Amino acid sequence: NAGVTQTPKFQVLKTGQSMTLQCAQDMNHEYMSWYRQDPGMGLRLIHYSVGAGITDQGEVPNGYNVSRSTTEDFPLRLLSAAPSQTSVYFCASSYSGQVPGSGNTIYFGEGSWLTVV
Amino acid sequence: AQTVTQSQPEMSVQEAETVTLSCTYDTSENNYYLFWYKQPPSRQMILVIRQEAYKQQNATENRFSVNFQKAAKSFSLKISDSQLGDTAMYFCAFMKRWGNTPLVFGKGTRLSVIA
Repeated sequence: NAGVTQTPKFQVLKTGQSMTLQCAQDMNHEYMSWYRQDPGMGLRLIHYSVGAGITDQGEVPNGYNVSRSTTEDFPLRLLSAAPSQTSVYFCASSYSGQVPGSGNTIYFGEGSWLTVV
Repeated sequence: AQTVTQSQPEMSVQEAETVTLSCTYDTSENNYYLFWYKQPPSRQMILVIRQEAYKQQNATENRFSVNFQKAAKSFSLKISDSQLGDTAMYFCAFMKRWGNTPLVFGKGTRLSVIA
């Protein structure tokens, strides 16, 4: 997963606390996205961005905010954490318009384990 | 909206045997891509194989091949000569061909290869 860095890797939050999951890539990728992975649910898209200043909602955006002020960074903010947000979060990036395979790659971060108690 | 369904939450196979993982999808698009991703215990996401919907020929990558049935919206993955290292979660995924849209994943199939 070289090139996409997620921090922190592990975090425990109390209900109602806020925090930001950081995602950074150094490959000049326009396209970045956040997924959450829950047991039996696969990866579900939270938010994505096709370039600096442009973001859009995915399948499960409620409770999360994003911004894209630079090409490199795409932070995910939890404004008031809830136990339902306990999950593993993955950030991904790629060149805009490129499809995985045939030399094109979506790069995934190593995941951030979040527990809300 | 596109949906991807993997109806087998868990499967197991003996080492060296062949196993097939099922995937169906729903879309009104005509041009799209389908993928199988492998996620080992490390949680890394590894692209196994991809299929272009406009190609009738089924994709193959070494021991991995697909059976793509566009009319039936079915996209199964066959793993031949299964190896212990194939033990992982496998996700089927969909992407439109145009429009910078993200991957849509199925819920995954946990495959265990037994020695």
